[in-house]
Amino acid sequence: EIVLTQSPGTLSLSPGERATLSCRASQTVSSRYLAWYQHKPGQAPRLLMYGASTRATGIPDRFSGSGSGTDFTLTISRLEPEDFAVYYCQQYGSTPPYTFGQGTNLEIK
Amino acid sequence: VHLVESGGVVVQPGGSLRLSCAASGFTFDDFAMHWVRQPPGKGLEWVSLISWDGGRTYYTDSAKGRFTISRDNSKNSLYLQMNNLRPEDTAFYYCVKDKALLGSYFDSWGQGTLVTVSS
Repeated sequence: EIVLTQSPGTLSLSPGERATLSCRASQTVSSRYLAWYQHKPGQAPRLLMYGASTRATGIPDRFSGSGSGTDFTLTISRLEPEDFAVYYCQQYGSTPPYTFGQGTNLEIK
Repeated sequence: VHLVESGGVVVQPGGSLRLSCAASGFTFDDFAMHWVRQPPGKGLEWVSLISWDGGRTYYTDSAKGRFTISRDNSKNSLYLQMNNLRPEDTAFYYCVKDKALLGSYFDSWGQGTLVTVSS
């Protein structure tokens, strides 16, 4: 089973600042089968990125993803008030289980 | 895409429960489906996957032998039969659409239904 470790656990920033979220895998995630999701309280999680760097439909270009192998990053270039949420990385590049990281809580400073 | 879960209730340890998910807005039998759960105050945990035709199923280790995922493509519905429930199964359960026939990223999620296992 691939274990994903996200850092930091909590990130406190102000609107307009840049956010950098990290996701490290315990073994290589094949073919960049790494996704990012945004989850706000009381809402359904939302797909942000897949294939490590491809934005999902309707996701603004202030969100970008990068990385390969075992190290991946989600960057939000300029935080908007609606971006404060919990972010999860997930790998889907192998036989299940399709594991999630433990999440990064992006909170308003 | 619209996914609506139902069936979440309070159940005693050792009890059984069946969750349902009604799907609409897409061709249901063109895609694999999943159940993902989130215990209160914790992170997301993948629970189970079923292929587009129901021919292949997969489970997280803690669900093997207790949970059964199934689908009825004629009714555009997904199910999760949960037996021998434990307090640690308490969670919001999300019905999730896959991007592909078997296993890919999760492109649509339901709002979730709460299962509470408690005496």
